[in-house]
Parts: sequence; C-alpha cells; structure tokens
Amino acid sequence: DSGVTQTPKHLITATGQRVTLRCSPRSGDLSVYWYQQSLDQGLQFLIQYYNGEERAKGNILERFSAQQFPDLHSELNLSSLELGDSALYFCASSVVQGPKDTQYFGPGTRLTVL
Amino acid sequence: AQSVTQLGSHVSVSEGALVLLRCNYSSSVPPYLFWYVQYPNQGLQLLLKYTSAATLVKGINGFEAEFKKSETSFHLTKPSAHMSDAAEYFCAVSLVYGNKLVFGAGTILRVKS
Repeated sequence: DSGVTQTPKHLITATGQRVTLRCSPRSGDLSVYWYQQSLDQGLQFLIQYYNGEERAKGNILERFSAQQFPDLHSELNLSSLELGDSALYFCASSVVQGPKDTQYFGPGTRLTVL
Repeated sequence: AQSVTQLGSHVSVSEGALVLLRCNYSSSVPPYLFWYVQYPNQGLQLLLKYTSAATLVKGINGFEAEFKKSETSFHLTKPSAHMSDAAEYFCAVSLVYGNKLVFGAGTILRVKS
C-alpha cells in the first residue's frame, strides 16, 4: 500500500459524458501527478500540481482538466468522453517536486467509455 | 527529448534463473532513472532508483540495476527468479529540469516453473 488513494476504482460511462476522478496523496506529500495508461500509448504523463498550483503539463487533452485543493487532494475531470479515453488513470504523489523524488502511485481508476 | 527504450516486450525465464530486463535511455544530461513494477490490477511500485550516487543500485525483492553512462543503460537484474516476480516492469527517466516521469513501454516478465 503506497498511501495514495484513488476513487473510484472502476468507472463505466458513455461517450459524451463527464467524469471526475479523485486522488488523495500520501500524508505530507505536496506534489500530485496524473498519468494515463492505455494499451496503445503506454504510460503517459498528463499534469502535475504542487501545493495547489499547476507546475507541469504533458499530453493532456483540452477536454481534460485538473486541480489540487487546499487539503492537497486532487481531481481530474474528463469531459466529452470518447471511446479512446478508456484507460487506467493513475495518480502519484511525492514529497516535493524534484526530479530525484520518488513518485508513489495509487492503485488507479479504470475508466471504460462505452 | 528524453526517452526510454525497453528491449523486449516479453521476457520468459525459468524459476531460479537470472532475470535481465533491459533499459536504455537517451539523455543529453545525466538523468535520474527508476524501475517500477506493476502486478496485475495494481498500481506501480518502486523497485529502485538511480540519483547519481552509486552506479550499482540495490532495490527491493532482490533486484538491482547498474547505471552505465557509456552505454546509456540501466538494466535490471535479479540472480534467481521467483514465481512471484511475474509482473510488468517499467523503466522511467526523470527530467532534470522538470518533474514528470517518462516511461518505457514496459516488459512483461513470465516465470516458468
């Protein structure tokens, strides 16, 4: 158990819908990262927040957005869902945000878009 | 751009045999390198990381990896495979001036009895 929690574990929805994925980082971790894992794209970095502020953006679609709240939990919002958005979405956290810092991964949310 | 190449999407070894999972990186500056393991239906767990201290890094579950700058490699090894090692293994590089991890495509390790 990494200490990072993600809810829900599974999500099944239809195309065009909007969903919110939630992540609680390890106690004391200020940095939260979101990754997408799919069969065709592999593990891809989406976005990072540090202490409530966006710090880095990766291959995140404009239909996707995220935020980190004052209690440091984070939410990833996915809208106008398409079949290709079906994937495993991971949240990771680290103490600060240096390149040496270990990122601890949550168990993931499996999103299925029908 | 930083990238990671894992040679062999599937590796099969017998129980008790040497495990060797290959990882090469491209980097114009010294990178920070990580190996993660993913068991079925689970998240990623850190096995070990290289952060410019000792070039031979020991991790959990008997795994180790050696950073070889001349070969731009960071191969993962374990002297004797166990059935419980069957999983998918990911090599990742961290950008020196950024925070994201760039992952390789992963190698699925199968351990035969």
